[in-house]
This record gives sequence, C-alpha cells and structure tokens, in this order.
Amino acid sequence: AQSVSQHNHHVILSEAASLELGCNYSYGGTVNLFWYVQYPGQHLQLLLKYFSGDPLVKGIKGFEAEFIKSKFSFNLRKPSVQWSDTAEYFCAVNAYPNTGNQFYFGTGTSLTVIP
Amino acid sequence: DSGVTQTPKHLITATGQRVTLRCSPRSGDLSVYWYQQSLDQGLQFLIQYYNGEERAKGNILERFSAQQFPDLHSELNLSSLELGDSALYFCASSVITASEQYFGPGTRLTVT
Repeated sequence: AQSVSQHNHHVILSEAASLELGCNYSYGGTVNLFWYVQYPGQHLQLLLKYFSGDPLVKGIKGFEAEFIKSKFSFNLRKPSVQWSDTAEYFCAVNAYPNTGNQFYFGTGTSLTVIP
Repeated sequence: DSGVTQTPKHLITATGQRVTLRCSPRSGDLSVYWYQQSLDQGLQFLIQYYNGEERAKGNILERFSAQQFPDLHSELNLSSLELGDSALYFCASSVITASEQYFGPGTRLTVT
C-alpha cells in the first residue's frame, strides 16, 4: 500500500532557527510531490510542489524542498523560521497515473515557533 | 481565500442520521476531491470526481457516497452516521487531475 511518512509529529523552534521537516513515501514510480500548510483555523494551502525538473523547489514564504529520488524523500526546509510559521504541515504524494490519481497525505507535523 | 466554498461550516447531528455536505470548486476547475480529517487518522482521501465522473476512490465507507453535478459542484452524502464519523470534511478542486489542489474551509461534522 502507498504511504507517506512524516517522522516529526511536533516540532518546537525559536524564531530564526532553521527548519527541516522530513517526508518519505513508499511508491516507486512517477510521483508528484506537494507540501501543504494549515494555519490555525484555516484551510490547507499549497506551499510548494514538485512535478519534474530541478529537484530543489522553492515555494512561498521562503520555504523550499528537495526531492531525493533514491531516498524516496521530499524534505521541507526553511533557513530562518518566524512566529507566523506556526502551523500544521502536510506532505502529499500523487502517484500518477498508476494509483488512479489518488493523493496520499502524511499525518502532518505541527510546528510551533516561539518568539 | 482559495475560491473553493463548502457548506455548511458546522453540522451537529445524531447517530443514525443522514447529512449532505456541499462543495463548489474554483471557477474553471473540473476535478473535485473529498477528504476526511480526524485527530487520529490524519487527512484521508475519500473520493475524486472529474467533470461529473468518478475517477478515484480512497478510504470511503459504503455508507458514504458522492456525486458531481453538471455545474461541477459536488455533494458528499453521509448516512447511518456513527460517532466515529465526527471529523472535518474537506473538499478540494484542481484544474486537471494530478495538479495541485485548492482546499475549501471544511465542514466540521459532530455526531452525538
């Protein structure tokens, strides 16, 4: 079965600290990869996406992620977090087309940034 | 604002009842997805429709059904409700299948 693993369930950082959230997936074929963010009380918003090309993708608000195919990973990074980055972060994988266009989400990582 | 709307925002109902959740996709989006988000299960994909046709099925119970209408809005029907069905139900839409999805604000369902 396809799965997406986010190893960090809850991360607490001080402002200006660097962030790296892990994401690993189990599907071995062609994948589209996404990171979504859910701020408190809001809906999920797309942070960044990878379909093909340069494995280092840049998203909004200074976030970036690196696709490492050999490690089945798509880790999210930010060099210096802000209090406003406090949110839930979800990694998602679309194993297209073999799994019928299904999207698999990780269980999420809750990030708390302390001012 | 993602452009995806969902109604109602909150719904409280009793076990055994049936409810209908409604979703209107972003203008121009043909694909609609439904997800269930609960504390212990995370975000679970339920079902996808593309231009009125079912395209993919995830962990959707037989008590649940959905459809997408000619105007592209979608409804998720939940019947014989159980306490464990209490969750946030999100709808998302995309231009084409496999592209990024835009999420609505969700409907919080509480079954008592």
